[in-house]
Amino acid sequence: NAGVTQTPKFQVLKTGQSMTLQCAQDMNHEYMSWYRQDPGMGLRLIHYSVGAGITDQGEVPNGYNVSRSTTEDFPLRLLSAAPSQTSVYFCASSPQGAAFNGANEKLFFGSGTQLSVL
Amino acid sequence: RKEVEQDPGPFNVPEGATVAFNCTYSNSASQSFFWYRQDCRKEPKLLMSVYSSGNEDGRFTAQLNRASQYISLLIRDSKLSDSATYLCVVSRMDSSYKLIFGSGTRLLVRP
Repeated sequence: NAGVTQTPKFQVLKTGQSMTLQCAQDMNHEYMSWYRQDPGMGLRLIHYSVGAGITDQGEVPNGYNVSRSTTEDFPLRLLSAAPSQTSVYFCASSPQGAAFNGANEKLFFGSGTQLSVL
Repeated sequence: RKEVEQDPGPFNVPEGATVAFNCTYSNSASQSFFWYRQDCRKEPKLLMSVYSSGNEDGRFTAQLNRASQYISLLIRDSKLSDSATYLCVVSRMDSSYKLIFGSGTRLLVRP
């Protein structure tokens, strides 16, 4: 049981480049989300999805796109990378979909992607 | 002001010590509370939920004070393996973001 798998683990981009961070889970979780973690700040929600075909914006969505064509996959796309997007990115999932309310719901995190934009 | 505030530390304590972290939250609509643990360069993992009556899990005790809007985590008999960053997490039903993370308190346990 792999859990939540993120690739790549490390990535260096030049300003203006685009790329996709991959996230896959094999637990049949309906809820999936992307966070970024910056020094001195808590994890901030970028986008989330409560099921296949359903996505919504989080706290810091600008510069990122997501799609959810299958239950298993939730890729995060950087359209035109900027130095401000240098961060550690975590994908997380939870069993509940639309019912996810954060109360007593454990989030399962991937191991993270360290992204540097030069 | 951040919605969830934590002392960043680091708290540097000897093995066997008792250490306590506090976390304050600003939104009274907050409903559920958690402590996550994050090891260096790793993903966060749920340590424990925090219940209104307080709860204990081995050497870890969590307390909630809704009137003062703070949460605490007490670690007794600290082990070297407790060295990590502890994230305070709050959930709000009135927010689509659901879970709000504090920036974490770093603990270093020395031999």
